[in-house]
Amino acid sequence: NAGVTQTPKFRVLKTGQSMTLLCAQDMNHEYMYWYRQDPGMGLRLIHYSVGEGTTAKGEVPDGYNVSRLKKQNFLLGLESAAPSQTSVYFCASSFPLGLAGGLNIQYFGAGTRLSVL
Amino acid sequence: GESVGLHLPTLSVQEGDNSIINCAYSNSASDYFIWYKQESGKGPQFIIDIRSNMDKRQGQRVTVLLNKTVKHLSLQIAATQPGDSAVYFCAENISNDYKLSFGAGTTVTVRA
Repeated sequence: NAGVTQTPKFRVLKTGQSMTLLCAQDMNHEYMYWYRQDPGMGLRLIHYSVGEGTTAKGEVPDGYNVSRLKKQNFLLGLESAAPSQTSVYFCASSFPLGLAGGLNIQYFGAGTRLSVL
Repeated sequence: GESVGLHLPTLSVQEGDNSIINCAYSNSASDYFIWYKQESGKGPQFIIDIRSNMDKRQGQRVTVLLNKTVKHLSLQIAATQPGDSAVYFCAENISNDYKLSFGAGTTVTVRA
């Protein structure tokens, strides 16, 4: 059971380049999330999805787009990377709150370390 | 070792001692709390959770205490081991809400 898998693990981009981060989960979770983690700060939610074909904005959505074409995958796209997007990106997933008794335990991947030069 | 006050970003503890990590949460409506452990180069890993109808919950070598009056929770680690060296995050949530709000984290370093 792999859990939550993120690819790639590391990436260096030049300003203006685009890329897609892939998150895959094999736990049949309905909810998926993308966070960024910056030094000295907690995790901040970028976008999330409560089911296949649905996405919604989190706290810091600007400069990012997402897609959830399949239940097990959640993609995060940067159309035109900026140095401010240098960060570590984490994907997480969880069961629907109704099935989990309202408890939002999220399970995280190992992260993607992105540098934008 | 103990981090006192609302929050200290680092905590150094002697191997074998007990550790206490503190966290102040901000939303009085929060009724569910989770502690995560993040080792270097890895993603956050669930440790233990507590609902607001409890003030204490125990796991294996860990105990979480919740004081709703002052909006404070703590994570106690018994007999701290080198493998406990990591960043520890508390997260607060309102039941049936998608959003977890994370604290800035406390870095725990275990001295041999």
